[in-house]
Amino acid sequence: AQTVTQSQPEMSVQEAETVTLSCTYDTSESDYYLFWYKQPPSRQMILVIRQEAYKQQNATENRFSVNFQKAAKSFSLKISDSQLGDAAMYFCAYALTGANSKLTFGKGITLSVRP
Amino acid sequence: DTGVSQDPRHKITKRGQNVTFRCDPISEHNRLYWYRQTLGQGPEFLTYFQNEAQLEKSRLLSDRFSAERPKGSFSTLEIQRTEQGDSAMYLCASKAGTRDTQYFGPGTRLTVL
Repeated sequence: AQTVTQSQPEMSVQEAETVTLSCTYDTSESDYYLFWYKQPPSRQMILVIRQEAYKQQNATENRFSVNFQKAAKSFSLKISDSQLGDAAMYFCAYALTGANSKLTFGKGITLSVRP
Repeated sequence: DTGVSQDPRHKITKRGQNVTFRCDPISEHNRLYWYRQTLGQGPEFLTYFQNEAQLEKSRLLSDRFSAERPKGSFSTLEIQRTEQGDSAMYLCASKAGTRDTQYFGPGTRLTVL
C-alpha cells in the first residue's frame, strides 16, 4: 500500500520569506503523480502544484515550486515570497496512474504567515 | 465553468438518523470520488465512480454507507443509522480523464449528536 508522510505538523514563515514543506512517500510503482493541495480555513481543497513521476524536471507554478527526488521518494514544496493568503493547511498527496487513481493524502501541515 | 458543488454544506443530525449528501461534479467529468476528512487529518478515500459504475469502495465504507451515481451525473452518499464516529467532512472530487487532476467541492460537514 502506498503511504504519504508529512512529519512536520506546523510551520511558520515571515511574510515575503521562503518556506519549504516536506513530504515523503512510499510506493513500489514507477508511474504515479504527486500533488500539493492547499486547504484554507474555508476548507475548500485547492490544487497548488502537481508532478508527474516520469518527468525529471521539477514543477513550478509562479511562487510555488517542488523538489522531487524520485529515488529518495521525497517531494517538498517551496513557497517563495510568502503572502498572508498562503496561510492554510497543505496536504501532500499521491495517486497512481490508471483507472481509479484515488488520492492518498498525508496528514497535512499547518502553515502560518507572520506579517 | 462551474466547479464541483456539494449540498448541504452543513448537516447536524441525531444519532440513529439517516442522512444523504449530494455532489454535482464539473459537467464534463466522468470520474467522481468521495473522501472523508476528520479534524486534523488528511482526506481518506471512500469510493469511486466512473460514469454510473461504482468501481471501488474502501473498507472504510461500512454497510451503513451507500453511494450512487445515477446516469453518471450527480452522486449521492447516504449514511444510515448515523453514529457519532461518522462526524466528519465529506468531500467530493471529480476529474475528466485518467491522467487529469481531481478538483474538490467545498465539502459537507456532518455533525452527529
